[in-house]
Amino acid sequence: SAVISQKPSRDICQRGTSLTIQCQVDSQVTMMFWYRQQPGQSLTLIATANQGSEATYESGFVIDKFPISRPNLTFSTLTVSNMSPEDSSIYLCSALTGTGVNEQYFGPGTRLTVT
Amino acid sequence: LAKTTQPISMDSYEGQEVNITCSHNNIATNDYITWYQQFPSQGPRFIIQGYKTKVTNEVASLFIPADRKSSTLSLPRVSLSDTAVYYCLVGDELDSSYKLIFGSGTRLLVRP
Repeated sequence: SAVISQKPSRDICQRGTSLTIQCQVDSQVTMMFWYRQQPGQSLTLIATANQGSEATYESGFVIDKFPISRPNLTFSTLTVSNMSPEDSSIYLCSALTGTGVNEQYFGPGTRLTVT
Repeated sequence: LAKTTQPISMDSYEGQEVNITCSHNNIATNDYITWYQQFPSQGPRFIIQGYKTKVTNEVASLFIPADRKSSTLSLPRVSLSDTAVYYCLVGDELDSSYKLIFGSGTRLLVRP
C-alpha cells in the first residue's frame, strides 16, 4: 500500500495567479497521476506524471496550463497556471505501486477556489 | 478502455445487503474489473478487483458472469458508514499507461 499526502489541502486564489500543489508518497511508486474533480462529479484524469520526462496529458489538458513535475519516485507537483474561476475544483494525485493491476492509491485532494 | 454504465444512485437501510451492478458490454479479453469507493472530501479507495467468477475480500464480493459483460459489487450488511460513491472501472493489465477512467459512479445512501 501507499500513503499519499497533498499540500495545500485547500486554497483560495485570485484569478490570473498560479498555484502549485504538492503530492508526496511514503514509498517509491511506479506511476503517479493527477485528477480533477468538480464538486458532486466524477474524476477526470489530467495527466500521467512521468519520472524523468515530460508528463503525458489527456485530451483537453495542456502543459502550459497544468505544468507537472516528477523529480523522483515519491514526489510530484501540479501547477494550475493563470487561474480562472473555472479552475475551481478538487485536484487529486494518485500513485500506482505495482502490486495490483488498476490498484491506485489516492491523496486526500486539494480544494481550490478561484475568485 | 471499455465504458461502464452504473445506476446513478441507490438507497438502502442499515443491515441490508446492497448489490450494485455495472454494465461493460465492450470489455476486452485482457480487461480487469475494478471497484473504488469514495467518501465525501476524500480520494477514492480501491475496494476489489476481479477478472471472472467471484472474488471476495473483507469489504465486499464481486460477481462476474461468464460473459463478463457485467459485474455486481455486493456489500453485505451495510452500515451508515458505507454511504459513499462507488465507481466501476475496467482496465487492461497489459496497457502500460495504467490509466483509470472513472465513470459517473453510483451514489449509495444508507439510511438508519
